[in-house]
Amino acid sequence: EPEVTQTPSHQVTQMGQEVILRCVPISNHLYFYWYRQILGQKVEFLVSFYNNEISEKSEIFDDQFSVERPDGSNFTLKIRSTKLEDSAMYFCASTKILYNEQFFGPGTRLTVL
Amino acid sequence: KQEVTQIPAALSVPEGENLVLNCSFTDSAIYNLQWFRQDPGKGLTSLLLIQSSQREQTSGRLNASLDKSSGRSTLYIAASQPGDSATYLCAAYSGGGADGLTFGKGTHLIIQP
Repeated sequence: EPEVTQTPSHQVTQMGQEVILRCVPISNHLYFYWYRQILGQKVEFLVSFYNNEISEKSEIFDDQFSVERPDGSNFTLKIRSTKLEDSAMYFCASTKILYNEQFFGPGTRLTVL
Repeated sequence: KQEVTQIPAALSVPEGENLVLNCSFTDSAIYNLQWFRQDPGKGLTSLLLIQSSQREQTSGRLNASLDKSSGRSTLYIAASQPGDSATYLCAAYSGGGADGLTFGKGTHLIIQP
């Protein structure tokens, strides 16, 4: 069964460094999302992406964040200058049709030291 | 702004019991509501999606109901098993400028063998 994949599973970085989190959505899906979950807290929406552009972004998704679909399969989240408070689990999700079921990847645990 | 609340925060029951998990949301103008399972340190597994026009959905031993007017959804688990132990999350999709899912904090479920 098709699934969303994410790499790496765990990323450790120093504060101020740039990180890129990678996702491969399900192949025939058109809508892509990034969410994050700080330890012990709710899963929070960051950004949605459709037709090669951002559809919506939350207030968390500031200028330090960017997303890109560099080719026909990958979907990336870049954090330009990481802060301690960026430490979280980052989930990628995709759906074929808007308002339909969203499928999540296994997540990337980002640790900022 | 949509807020999702889940009660109880934690639940422990003996194997074999039927149980109900509750989810409430503040804005009834939702397109759908999705239930997920999250195992410790893992991603989100979609269990059921209920569209706003539906009253309930069933998958195996799981049954989810939706009452939009009262802002409530329930997840019923029949004949619980130790393998059902996990955190169960509900998430509402409101669309229209709030493009991502809004999650509750989850119910941490333990099924005692």
